[in-house]
Amino acid sequence: GENVEQHPSTLSVQEGDSAVIKCTYSDSASNYFPWYKQELGKRPQLIIDIRSNVGEKKDQRIAVTLNKTAKHFSLHITETQPEDSAVYFCAASKATGNQFYFGTGTSLTVIP
Amino acid sequence: EPEVTQTPSHQVTQMGQEVILRCVPISNHLYFYWYRQILGQKVEFLVSFYNNEISEKSEIFDDQFSVERPDGSNFTLKIRSTKLEDSAMYFCASSGPRQGHQPQHFGDGTRLSIL
Repeated sequence: GENVEQHPSTLSVQEGDSAVIKCTYSDSASNYFPWYKQELGKRPQLIIDIRSNVGEKKDQRIAVTLNKTAKHFSLHITETQPEDSAVYFCAASKATGNQFYFGTGTSLTVIP
Repeated sequence: EPEVTQTPSHQVTQMGQEVILRCVPISNHLYFYWYRQILGQKVEFLVSFYNNEISEKSEIFDDQFSVERPDGSNFTLKIRSTKLEDSAMYFCASSGPRQGHQPQHFGDGTRLSIL
């Protein structure tokens, strides 16, 4: 089955700096890659996703890049703010209705 | 914006008892899921449900677990004979209705504590 690895497990950045979180996956059939933000005690919330026919997607301060050949994808947050502090999970999926395979999460702390 | 709703928010149960966790998916979604998250760990898939039947399940989802869509709006997870290690946050999610990849929308979760 699919194995998603995520690094780093913790990340601290100064407010205004950029943060990058990286994930790798093992199954070349995976073709959908969402990113979720989870604040303490709350639901995972989708922040951005990318499909395998696209190499990069951007939404304001958030961007995701995908390298299908290397089987890795990354989340980039620019101009970080304290409210960006949360745990971020990457995931991979093969088709509609199929399970998401989640990474182990990155705890991001933005220091004011 | 429509949301997935889950009840109860917190369930405390004695070991060996049965629990039913309830979810109301987003109304026009067709795919439903249960995940669990042990404190401080990643989200783990339990089961997916489509067209009134299980479409996929993980190794965690053994005979102790069952799911049901008893009516047009609810989606339930039943855990029989609960064990201490069943203590976790259980998330319901839904996606759809179109073909192609759709993001899964999560509920707020039910925190299950087994004593």
